[in-house]
Amino acid sequence: EVQLVESGGGIVQPGGSLRLSCAASGFTFSDYWMHWVRQAPGKGLVWVSRINSDGSGAVYADSVKGRFTVSRDNAKTTLYLQMNTLRAEDTAVYYCARASHYYMDVWGKGATVTVSS
Amino acid sequence: QSALTQPASVSGSPGQSITISCTGPSSDVGGYDYGYDYVSWYQQHPGKAPKLLIFDVTQRPSGVSNRFSGSKSGNTASLTISGLQAEDEADYYCCSYPSGTTWVFGGGTKVTVL
Repeated sequence: EVQLVESGGGIVQPGGSLRLSCAASGFTFSDYWMHWVRQAPGKGLVWVSRINSDGSGAVYADSVKGRFTVSRDNAKTTLYLQMNTLRAEDTAVYYCARASHYYMDVWGKGATVTVSS
Repeated sequence: QSALTQPASVSGSPGQSITISCTGPSSDVGGYDYGYDYVSWYQQHPGKAPKLLIFDVTQRPSGVSNRFSGSKSGNTASLTISGLQAEDEADYYCCSYPSGTTWVFGGGTKVTVL
């Protein structure tokens, strides 16, 4: 079964850091680009970042550029999102998603990040 | 990275058809100069992860009901749900790949089955 499982969410103070993980299984992880998408409480989906299949290239939404870093370990079939200098507006459920061409065909259940003092 | 515009809500009675629009700058929904179409649609039930419904404007993944269909005209993409059922009550999001490097979602549409 193709599966993505996020972990690492929690409560962090403004200005703090957190690293999310996304464990992939059931498919050849190293063949796929991967995305992070977030959803603030009661709000819509917002694309955050994409990394290519070998980890050599990544792009980010303007709102997180310079603060978030996406990476992957293909040997561990795991995707990461390092989030630094967190702000209240980063509070959201963070989903990892598999990229198939230009769309997202498999999604994890999400990890909740709360930025609050 | 401007969001695509969707109606906040759409409603219909069981068995009816409804259409959700997704409008953006022609450079977003209109697609590349090469003419490729990269609009996708996602369904999200409360507390659940999004699910892919439509990709490449009109294509349906295996396992998705043929009651869901996609189309595009100019800079507006549309998702039509035919034979509306109670289980279709959810939020729906369009998504495009306008710049060749970043993705953008619509604001989402809440579908209510009356």
